[in-house]
Amino acid sequence: GEDVEQSLFLSVREGDSSVINCTYTDSSSTYLYWYKQEPGAGLQLLTYIFSNMDMKQDQRLTVLLNKKDKHLSLRIADTQTGDSAIYFCAPNSGAGSYQLTFGKGTKLSVIP
Amino acid sequence: GAVVSQHPSWVICKSGTSVKIECRSLDFQATTMFWYRQFPKQSLMLMATSNEGSKATYEQGVEKDKFLINHASLTLSTLTVTSAHPEDSSFYICSARAVTGENQPQHFGDGTRLSIL
Repeated sequence: GEDVEQSLFLSVREGDSSVINCTYTDSSSTYLYWYKQEPGAGLQLLTYIFSNMDMKQDQRLTVLLNKKDKHLSLRIADTQTGDSAIYFCAPNSGAGSYQLTFGKGTKLSVIP
Repeated sequence: GAVVSQHPSWVICKSGTSVKIECRSLDFQATTMFWYRQFPKQSLMLMATSNEGSKATYEQGVEKDKFLINHASLTLSTLTVTSAHPEDSSFYICSARAVTGENQPQHFGDGTRLSIL
């Protein structure tokens, strides 16, 4: 099955950029999602990228995909205190699959 | 759009009680709903996948008689934890996927914190 690895913690200063990295093992993943979870809450879909794309930008969020290395990153520009949360990388389990595999999540702490 | 409502948000009950959790897609129809369990500071573990009108598919190691799933309509799925015990205490999260379109992401509810005394 798919394995998804993320760094557990990231700390940045308010106003700086944050980069959250993710590696996965299943090269047949076609859609790769980023979700945000605030304490005690469910997951909020942030953005996603299709496997035939290298980059996707959506306002302050930039997703980079290196399909050869199976590496995905999420960059948050001008990080704010409200961005403090856990971020999950979640590739789907191959073409046509609706199932997602989640990493352990990266806890982003923003220092004022 | 794509709002998923999950109720209740928090349940505390005695050991041996059965607890029902509801997951509703409010503004879209969901062919498929997913039920996850999340332990503290851990990732989400998929428990089962339910498709409207058919039996749920359970992941390995998840007892289907313990965790009853019903997906009777395109907007509602329920998870019933039967005869709950303290080891069933956890954060349960549902998600729903819309009917149409190849790339339809999962939209999540806010989760249910279940505490069994």
